[in-house]
Amino acid sequence: GAGVSQSPSNKVTEKGKDVELRCDPISGHTALYWYRQSLGQGLEFLIYFQGNSAPDKSGLPSDRFSAERTGGSVSTLTIQRTQQEDSAVYLCASSSLPTSGRALREQFFGPGTRLTVL
Amino acid sequence: DAKTTQPTSMDCAEGRAANLPCNHSTISGNEYVYWYRQIHSQGPQYIIHGLKNNETNEMASLIITEDRKSSTLILPHATLRDTAVYYCIVKSISGGSNYKLTFGKGTLLTVNP
Repeated sequence: GAGVSQSPSNKVTEKGKDVELRCDPISGHTALYWYRQSLGQGLEFLIYFQGNSAPDKSGLPSDRFSAERTGGSVSTLTIQRTQQEDSAVYLCASSSLPTSGRALREQFFGPGTRLTVL
Repeated sequence: DAKTTQPTSMDCAEGRAANLPCNHSTISGNEYVYWYRQIHSQGPQYIIHGLKNNETNEMASLIITEDRKSSTLILPHATLRDTAVYYCIVKSISGGSNYKLTFGKGTLLTVNP
């Protein structure tokens, strides 16, 4: 089936504006993750969804960042009052249910949304 | 998660095997070795993982030394499309947040025609 899709692929916005990034996970994947990757930096975890609930929001950098997931499928990441330091590639990944005591399930990544805040 | 060490870059001729090493000398008994790669301007892609036995799938083979302190990812017949940054990660099976992926610098593999 189709892989993880994200939209838009590129977003240029002005400082102070709000942006919404969308992720469509692989059908049937109950776990969904948001990461971001800044230029020359590694992968930074933002939030993890299990179904529609987010048991781990520890990576959200500030209260300007929020995310929701509806119907156990599509997720949106919202950044309010964007700042220049928010510029990065925002990646979404999905996986089967993570299980304890067994190997970590592989995560399938989307192509990312490149956010540029001017 | 145990620390990993990889060479910064490697070159390989198209059609030849690419052997990418990873050192994880502090790995513990309940930690798996995972490999992901990231082609330029794309999201990361899972390749393979293993615990102690060698593993093979349609993409690659993973050879883990008997003491588990190092491993090698083998792409048997590298193509130009395999040019990417390859990340070796060690993840525990226990721990409430082991789903968080973190990548180090990785190895930039360049496959040359």
